[in-house]
Amino acid sequence: GQNIDQPTEMTATEGAIVQINCTYQTSGFNGLFWYQQHAGEAPTFLSYNVLDGLEEKGRFSSFLSRSKGYSYLLLKELQMKDSASYLCAVTESNYQLIWGAGTKLIIKP
Amino acid sequence: NAGVTQTPKFRILKIGQSMTLQCTQDMNHNYMYWYRQDPGMGLKLIYYSVGAGITDKGEVPNGYNVSRSTTEDFPLRLELAAPSQTSVYFCASSYSETMNTGELFFGEGSRLTVL
Repeated sequence: GQNIDQPTEMTATEGAIVQINCTYQTSGFNGLFWYQQHAGEAPTFLSYNVLDGLEEKGRFSSFLSRSKGYSYLLLKELQMKDSASYLCAVTESNYQLIWGAGTKLIIKP
Repeated sequence: NAGVTQTPKFRILKIGQSMTLQCTQDMNHNYMYWYRQDPGMGLKLIYYSVGAGITDKGEVPNGYNVSRSTTEDFPLRLELAAPSQTSVYFCASSYSETMNTGELFFGEGSRLTVL
């Protein structure tokens, strides 16, 4: 069946690096998204990976391995404003989007 | 550009009441979606539309209806509200050749409580 797994909650220190993992089992694959969602707000787009490898966008990078059904989001030089939930979502072969439950990231000073 | 605008932001309904959540986008996007988000769970797709005049059911359509008479508007109708419909609702839109291969733009959300 369809499944996306990501840790429920993670804690990291301001200025440090954190890696949020996402593993998926879906009916085919047409891309993987990462979104950021601050509490009480709407999700906002971070990245979209279709091919294997690492894509870097400023302090944020996203990695994909299609053969392993695995992705991670890497956040560097953490800032307090990075405290949010990070949502992993996969587009299946029928172009439906399956969402993970999200990882709540807590940044401590 | 306003992006995706949805109203109301908050609403309390009594069991059995009906209401419409409004959603408008000004980006000329072809795809529009309605999601609900419950604590500890991933976003669930209620209905989606690939263009004006075309709508289709998502994962959790029961108790809801939609229409898409124009490219801009995609209202969600709740008929006979039930406590199980207490949730945060998000409208979203995107533009791409195929569905869910482009960035989703979300409205601010509508928090609905059914008592």
